[in-house]
Amino acid sequence: AQSVSQHNHHVILSEAASLELGCNYSYGGTVNLFWYVQYPGQHLQLLLKYFSGDPLVKGIKGFEAEFIKSKFSFNLRKPSVQWSDTAEYFCAVTKNTGFQKLVFGTGTRLLVSP
Amino acid sequence: NAGVTQTPKFQVLKTGQSMTLQCAQDMNHEYMSWYRQDPGMGLRLIHYSVGAGITDQGEVPNGYNVSRSTTEDFPLRLLSAAPSQTSVYFCASNLQGTPYTGELFFGEGSRLTVL
Repeated sequence: AQSVSQHNHHVILSEAASLELGCNYSYGGTVNLFWYVQYPGQHLQLLLKYFSGDPLVKGIKGFEAEFIKSKFSFNLRKPSVQWSDTAEYFCAVTKNTGFQKLVFGTGTRLLVSP
Repeated sequence: NAGVTQTPKFQVLKTGQSMTLQCAQDMNHEYMSWYRQDPGMGLRLIHYSVGAGITDQGEVPNGYNVSRSTTEDFPLRLLSAAPSQTSVYFCASNLQGTPYTGELFFGEGSRLTVL
């Protein structure tokens, strides 16, 4: 079965620090990859997605992610975080062939201190 | 458009009680799903539907029942609530019959406590 690993459960950064959140998945075939964000008290929103093409994907609010097929990874990055980036971030994966369920990682809580 | 609407937002049940969490979307989305969110476990898929009349089980279906009689509605039923079902429940939908080609749109969640 597919699985998604997010090794950083809690991350604390100061404003202007750089961010990188790890995401690894277990499925060996072609996949579609997503990062979702959940701000405090809100529902999940799509941050960015990768289906094919350029492995460096740019999303909203200055976030980007890089797909490295050989490492089964899809790490999320932001050069300079802001206090408003405090949220929980979820990586999600689904197969690209046929109908499959979207599988989420366990999430990473990011706290950005002003 | 209202998007994905879930009711109720909060509910407290006693063990053994039954209830239905409602989910409605007004975007004509074919795909709808229910997830539960628990601390340290992320989101886990309970049930999903690729269209009216079609449902299937996700990762954690036990104790839950669903039906899809219309495109718009996808209720989640707890037949006999247990404390292990204390969680935040999210309904999500997608335009196409499969979730992987586009964005999942989430409702605001329903926080359920079972005593």
